[in-house]
Amino acid sequence: QQQVKQSPQSLIVQKGGISIINCAYENTAFDYFPWYQQFPGKGPALLIAIRPDVSEKKEGRFTISFNKSAKQFSLHIMDSQPGDSATYFCAASSGGYQKVTFGIGTKLQVIP
Amino acid sequence: NAGVTQTPKFRILKIGQSMTLQCTQDMNHNYMYWYRQDPGMGLKLIYYSVGAGITDKGEVPNGYNVSRSTTEDFPLRLELAAPSQTSVYFCASSYSKTVEEQYFGPGTRLTVT
Repeated sequence: QQQVKQSPQSLIVQKGGISIINCAYENTAFDYFPWYQQFPGKGPALLIAIRPDVSEKKEGRFTISFNKSAKQFSLHIMDSQPGDSATYFCAASSGGYQKVTFGIGTKLQVIP
Repeated sequence: NAGVTQTPKFRILKIGQSMTLQCTQDMNHNYMYWYRQDPGMGLKLIYYSVGAGITDKGEVPNGYNVSRSTTEDFPLRLELAAPSQTSVYFCASSYSKTVEEQYFGPGTRLTVT
């Protein structure tokens, strides 16, 4: 059972464009929603995260939008750059590290 | 400060062989974790440890064993390797049990044929 559904699986965006990755969850007990960035040959690294008491969080060019009623959250990358080319994972957790559910990942390619 | 290091980077095993994936962190973190990442899938937790001498199962522990004799090291043992264990394995560590503070190693790509 896939508790966190992520789409699209791959995304090609032109430099300067907006990259949007969507995730949907089922378990209403989730209370923390992180996004990870993973470059080829490297481990995932926490990029940005949100808790359900806010609808949006922005850090530089990266924004998480959160819709609690729809059980959806998304990552927006503004002014996408070739250096943003990586795989992005959404995740959801309840109660800490033991109960983190990851999405399947989105491979983003930003072309010049 | 090297962070989380993993060895080897790559390994090919034959069915039925055994091996140990090494993980070391130099951040004095109490919590350590092993994940596997399969193509087209998210990470899944195999085992975790909350301190030296204490380990517990994650979501997919079958076919694996761990030990934690020191704060720094958290090796993952594969006994009787099977093709289903072909995956990329990531070790991670954190100071506390919060997800926000996990640091991941570079991974070990294992192929079982």
